[in-house]
Amino acid sequence: KNEVEQSPQNLTAQEGEFITINCSYSVGISALHWLQQHPGGGIVSLFMLSSGKKKHGRLIATINIQEKHSSLHITASHPRDSAVYICALDRGSQGNLIFGKGTKLSVKP
Amino acid sequence: ETGVTQSPTHLIKTRGQQVTLRCSSQSGHNTVSWYQQALGQGPQFIFQYYREEENGRGNFPPRFSGLQFPNYSSELNVNALELDDSALYLCASSSGGPSNYGYTFGSGTRLTVV
Repeated sequence: KNEVEQSPQNLTAQEGEFITINCSYSVGISALHWLQQHPGGGIVSLFMLSSGKKKHGRLIATINIQEKHSSLHITASHPRDSAVYICALDRGSQGNLIFGKGTKLSVKP
Repeated sequence: ETGVTQSPTHLIKTRGQQVTLRCSSQSGHNTVSWYQQALGQGPQFIFQYYREEENGRGNFPPRFSGLQFPNYSSELNVNALELDDSALYLCASSSGGPSNYGYTFGSGTRLTVV
């Protein structure tokens, strides 16, 4: 069983829709990262969470440590949000982030 | 200097050759991690360097090696390239302490081994 699972694997939405991407994990962590990867490959760090909720513009990330679950929400989605969204587990030691396989989001105009 | 820069962006090598990939981190970021991302997969941890010494390693053979320099740059070296080494190689740096975003990633080097 993978230590981190994301759902859905692929997501297509219409512009303006509210989007939720989920991440479940099975190990203890010190923090969870949400990352965005565009087709060119570069990764942008969106959030690092250890508890509760963070908001940045139209992006909201939540984490429930007891349930080992995190969600990334995008409000009023836009075609420029199209990317792969990856959650990564930070176990706090030696830089070994454990990455999910990503959710490929496509927002249609 | 801000941001993390990786070079080259793309590279084609022949099986059996050696390759050096470079990463230039933000000033003050004394921790750098390297990851390999195969097509359609999430990145896999190769190793981390902290203050010029290896500080953790993933499940990669010894032909994957690295160096970190005092000027916040680092290298990933791969010897005896195999076809399966074809992937996107990412470096990520941090200051080693807590921050809002934790890591700054480079745009990656896409290596193709033929």
